[in-house]
Amino acid sequence: ETAVFQTPNYHVTQVGNEVSFNCKQTLGHDTMYWYKQDSKKLLKIMFSYNNKQLIVNETVPRRFSPQSSDKAHLNLRIKSVEPEDSAVYLCASRRLGDYEQYFGPGTRLTVL
Amino acid sequence: GEQVEQLPSILRVQEGSSASINCTYENSASNYFPWYKQEPGENPKLIIDIRSNMERKQTQGLIVLLDKKAKRFSLHITDTQPGDSAMYFCAASERQGGRALIFGTGTTVSVSP
Repeated sequence: ETAVFQTPNYHVTQVGNEVSFNCKQTLGHDTMYWYKQDSKKLLKIMFSYNNKQLIVNETVPRRFSPQSSDKAHLNLRIKSVEPEDSAVYLCASRRLGDYEQYFGPGTRLTVL
Repeated sequence: GEQVEQLPSILRVQEGSSASINCTYENSASNYFPWYKQEPGENPKLIIDIRSNMERKQTQGLIVLLDKKAKRFSLHITDTQPGDSAMYFCAASERQGGRALIFGTGTTVSVSP
């Protein structure tokens, strides 16, 4: 099956902990993204990444960082979570030269 | 940064009627405008898109219009069905920024029988 996969589905943690979310795409795409969807359903870009370039949304706090081992994987690490980080984190991918982005199922983070 | 305004935030329609959602964007370099449908607990799914070299696109009961001069685009759902009830997001992207999608604030569409 070709798609965008994310793990875990859900994660509950305490303020100050470090968390890491995984994203893998088997679509052969070259560019991957992380989006945050908050409790009001607002969707905001966090990172865009291909092999050559990482683009960071200037509003993303420094405790967030993307990590990539190859073009099929883009993980998201949060160094010290805060309550406002509670959200659904959506990974997406796109083939270079195409326009369409395909989303994974998301990881719901709850920070207590 | 770039903003995409989306209205209305809530739209209630009767089954069989049309539903229209409007979006405006700021960045004149934006050249790709997708629409996503998101059902509760699911991820957003692309339902239709339009590029800046077109003014109109239609597929399976969906029509998208683009007015580049006014920086406005819209989604029209014809002959709505209960299965069209969901949240809809418009978005815009440009080549710079890695084609990241800038999303509108979403419209909750509710189709009643």
